[in-house]
Amino acid sequence: DTGVSQDPRHKITKRGQNVTFRCDPISEHNRLYWYRQTLGQGPEFLTYFQNEAQLEKSRLLSDRFSAERPKGSFSTLEIQRTEQGDSAMYLCASGRVGAYNEQFFGPGTRLTVL
Amino acid sequence: AQSVTQLDSQVPVFEEAPVELRCNYSSSVSVYLFWYVQYPNQGLQLLLKYLSGSTLVKGINGFEAEFNKSQTSFHLRKPSVHISDTAEYFCAVTRNSGNTPLVFGKGTRLSVIA
Repeated sequence: DTGVSQDPRHKITKRGQNVTFRCDPISEHNRLYWYRQTLGQGPEFLTYFQNEAQLEKSRLLSDRFSAERPKGSFSTLEIQRTEQGDSAMYLCASGRVGAYNEQFFGPGTRLTVL
Repeated sequence: AQSVTQLDSQVPVFEEAPVELRCNYSSSVSVYLFWYVQYPNQGLQLLLKYLSGSTLVKGINGFEAEFNKSQTSFHLRKPSVHISDTAEYFCAVTRNSGNTPLVFGKGTRLSVIA
């Protein structure tokens, strides 16, 4: 069990640029979640997958955000035309169906939009 | 929908003193409850969880929490804190059925003073 990994750990970009983050879940986990955490706040749910199917999206996930999980393994979160308000920590978590919704978190990707 | 209120945004405490971090939740259905800890620039680590059964749950690093259904609370306690316990603590809730994401409180910053 190598844990949930995220890449990159830090990303600095200019407003208007596109960015993509990657999450590799724990290998046997079939659920994968994305959360966003801004300074001084708790994580807020963005979207989640069960295997390759995206089952739920928060209203926080504007049309500039898109997430994929091809083949039900790793996942990517892309933000197009970044805005300063997108600056946050993006957290990925994974879990298993039937495991009481327990989620294991990765270290996060900190995005700074200048 | 579920919601979580963490009643204290900051809790300073002297080393080796006891501490209680308060969490209240709101839900019209039965829930699972979690406490996570976040060290600076890191992801979230699960401290403990309440799923069912005994209302007193024990977790890692000497922490415990008590589920009180009548008061809709899930307070976190430790009888004697260490400097290394300095971190941000998050209470989270999820429905105990279906594939619902975690709903987090805003967090409590525990500062242990030598």
